[in-house]
Amino acid sequence: ETGVTQTPRHLVMGMTNKKSLKCEQHLGHNAMYWYKQSAKKPLELMFVYSLEERVENNSVPSRFSPECPNSSHLFLHLHTLQPEDSALYLCASSHQTGFLPQYFGPGTRLTVL
Amino acid sequence: AQTVTQSQPEMSVQEAETVTLSCTYDTSESDYYLFWYKQPPSRQMILVIRQEAYKQQNATENRFSVNFQKAAKSFSLKISDSQLGDAAMYFCAYRSRMDSSYKLIFGSGTRLLVRP
Repeated sequence: ETGVTQTPRHLVMGMTNKKSLKCEQHLGHNAMYWYKQSAKKPLELMFVYSLEERVENNSVPSRFSPECPNSSHLFLHLHTLQPEDSALYLCASSHQTGFLPQYFGPGTRLTVL
Repeated sequence: AQTVTQSQPEMSVQEAETVTLSCTYDTSESDYYLFWYKQPPSRQMILVIRQEAYKQQNATENRFSVNFQKAAKSFSLKISDSQLGDAAMYFCAYRSRMDSSYKLIFGSGTRLLVRP
């Protein structure tokens, strides 16, 4: 365990559903990240938050909506997803300096039907 | 655009032996970072080692060391005295120091198997 937890670990949803992914860290980090890991593609950065403020949105479609209510929690709200959004979604955290993800969570395996 | 290539999808090493994982990258920039991440079967990935491009000295972290060849754009990871716990996917990654993005560009990964 790296100290970064994610729930749920697996999620199956239809294209019209709304669901949320949750990430939590109690490492004292103040930067948090969402990454997407698709089969046969390298990891892709989605969002970066620093001190609850979004500092990067890496051209992610609006059907993905992040939320960072405090420095320990990060959410990814999902709505009207497409089958090609099926992937492993990884949360990561780090100290703010350099905005380099140090520890990742176990991921949520998302399947969109 | 920068790219990172890991040409070895899978490598195998005998426990206690040394193994080297290859990574090459393509960039027109002169100032950047390079990293190796480890993703064990539990999928909780962690940062293993980092290298600043302006530093000539190769980074070392315990049994992990890199061979950074800037002119050749090569950044290999050497694992000495391999242990069973080293079995994982290893990702090489690049980040520019010359733009404002925090984006890491990852390679496709190398799966390391450790034989007891």
